[in-house]
This record gives sequence, structure tokens and C-alpha cells, in this order.
Amino acid sequence: EVQLVESGGGLAQPGRSLRLSCVASGFSIDEYTMHWVRQAPGKGLEWVAGISWNSRSIAYAESVRGRFTISRDNGKNSVHLDIHSPKTGDTARYYCAKDKEVIATAYYFDSWGQGTLVTVSS
Amino acid sequence: EIVLTQSPATLSVSPGERATLSCRASQYIKTDLAWYQQKPGQAPRLLIQGASSRATGIPARFSGSVSGTEFTLTISSLQSEDFAVYYCQHYNTWPPPFGGGTKVEVK
Repeated sequence: EVQLVESGGGLAQPGRSLRLSCVASGFSIDEYTMHWVRQAPGKGLEWVAGISWNSRSIAYAESVRGRFTISRDNGKNSVHLDIHSPKTGDTARYYCAKDKEVIATAYYFDSWGQGTLVTVSS
Repeated sequence: EIVLTQSPATLSVSPGERATLSCRASQYIKTDLAWYQQKPGQAPRLLIQGASSRATGIPARFSGSVSGTEFTLTISSLQSEDFAVYYCQHYNTWPPPFGGGTKVEVK
């Protein structure tokens, strides 16, 4: 069974970095693009970032470009999202999601974790 | 950038009735559209890909269709577990946009 488990969320102070992590089980991430998608409280879904199977292709939403860094460790079957200088507008539940396509990047998601909540407040 | 507009924002339906949800794209996007279901406190679940192909394990009461830039998700006979928020999403593009969602609630 495919499982994605996120961690690292919590209360974050504006300007202080934090790292979110996602550990996968039930499949090997080294064939898939992995993504982060977020959802502000009571709001809709927003794609944040994606990283290809070999880390050679990385993409970010304009709203987070330059502040967020996505990375992966295929050996540990894990993906990370570093949030630098968080803003109150970054408050959201952050979901780790698996791309549907093998090797290629389709930008849609057939498996999701339960998410980790990040609250940015001073 | 492509914008997806979902309507209605809220749909009130009785169990056993048919629900029809709409997602309109601001430009032609072929059939590169997915639908997701999200229940309270849960992660989204992929229902439909390619505008009309059900994802693995999705019941046949869920169906998707497209006419031009107008996409439709139909739930033929609502079950209690179908009351949720539904999102459409355009893919094979950066950034992949989501629609604003339609909440299907009990009438």
C-alpha cells in the first residue's frame, strides 16, 4: 500500500526557516516526480513545488519561488520542503503528493499524504 | 495562465439523487483535466483523469465528460460518503491550476 507521511509542521515565526519532510512507503520514489501542494485553512488547493525523479527538473509556484526549496533523497525514499523566511500567507496544511506518471511529470497526483500544518505567526 | 472556474460553489442534493458539477477552463486544455474529492479532515483523492477516465478503485457512479472548455463531473446516485468538496485541476502544465471547488452537501 502506497503511503506518504509528512512531518515538520508546527508554529513557525516569520523569517525563521523550517523543513517539512515526507517519507514514502509501499513504492520507490526514484521513478516518480514528487510534489508539495498546500491548502490554507478553509481554502482551496495550491500546487507549491515539484521535483523530478533525478532532481534535474525542479519547479515552483510563483508565490514561493526564491523562498522555498524542494529536495529529495531517493536512498531514504523521502522528499523535503525548506521554507525560508515564512510569511503569514504561508499558513496552510502542506501535502506531499506523488505524480501519476512514471519518470515523466504530468503534474497530477494519485497519492497524497495526510499533510502537515504550518502556522506562521509572531 | 489558465484559470479554472467551478460552479456552483455549493450544491445541495438529496441522497440517491444525481449531482452535476461544472468546471470551465479559460482556454482550450484538451482533456488534461483531473477531478479530486476531499472529505473533511482528509487529503484529496484522485477520481478522474483525462477528463473522463476513472482512477483505480473509483466507483462507476462517478463519471466525467467534456465539451470544448466545459468539463462536467457527474455523480449518478449520491451515496452518504459522496458528500464532500470536489476540485478540478488542469495538468501537463506549469503551474498546474486548481479550480476553487464545489461543496456537495445534503439537501
